[in-house]
Amino acid sequence: DTEVTQTPKHLVMGMTNKKSLKCEQHMGHRAMYWYKQKAKKPPELMFVYSYEKLSINESVPSRFSPECPNSSLLNLHLHALQPEDSALYLCASSQDTSGSPYEQYFGPGTRLTVT
Amino acid sequence: DAKTTQPNSMESNEEEPVHLPCNHSTISGTDYIHWYRQLPSQGPEYVIHGLTSNVNNRMASLAIAEDRKSSTLILHRATLRDAAVYYCILSPPATETSYDKVIFGPGTSSSVIP
Repeated sequence: DTEVTQTPKHLVMGMTNKKSLKCEQHMGHRAMYWYKQKAKKPPELMFVYSYEKLSINESVPSRFSPECPNSSLLNLHLHALQPEDSALYLCASSQDTSGSPYEQYFGPGTRLTVT
Repeated sequence: DAKTTQPNSMESNEEEPVHLPCNHSTISGTDYIHWYRQLPSQGPEYVIHGLTSNVNNRMASLAIAEDRKSSTLILHRATLRDAAVYYCILSPPATETSYDKVIFGPGTSSSVIP
């Protein structure tokens, strides 16, 4: 199974709502990533988790709060978002973050609209 | 992070080879060259990576210039399914303090004409 799953596929939320995005992989990968992608732009790295610990935060606003409950699951908690946060949120995983580069496997993304 | 330069867009005919160039004149000696692609309405997909030697896999070939300042992704026989944005990315080998960051540039939008 080389699949990364993301739920929900689509999400519409108001600026005062709290919601969460979920990502799951069962490939035994120990590194997981969140990316944000605006329309017609490349994905931008947000967070990297390595062995369930946050290792990179690319200066992401605190209204985005990642969580890695176990090695297979990655959540992104959303609170008080702005309309400009509307984007495709992509999750990825890779075998490890150290040593030779490993390919990243991406999920299909969650299309988020903030109203 | 070292930068890459790719054409904004390229067009190719179905069933013909596709050569997608990438310039990376500021590449360091330890940077790996990665290629990912993103089909419409999908997440990115790993294609291939290399360091110094040319690489082949079931999806594509990667030709790396001797001075490593440029590389070319080769799809041997384009199909309509290969229409995607192709990203050329450089990253150093990950260490305990420098993780495997994949920083995407604008990429090349490659279309295939039937």
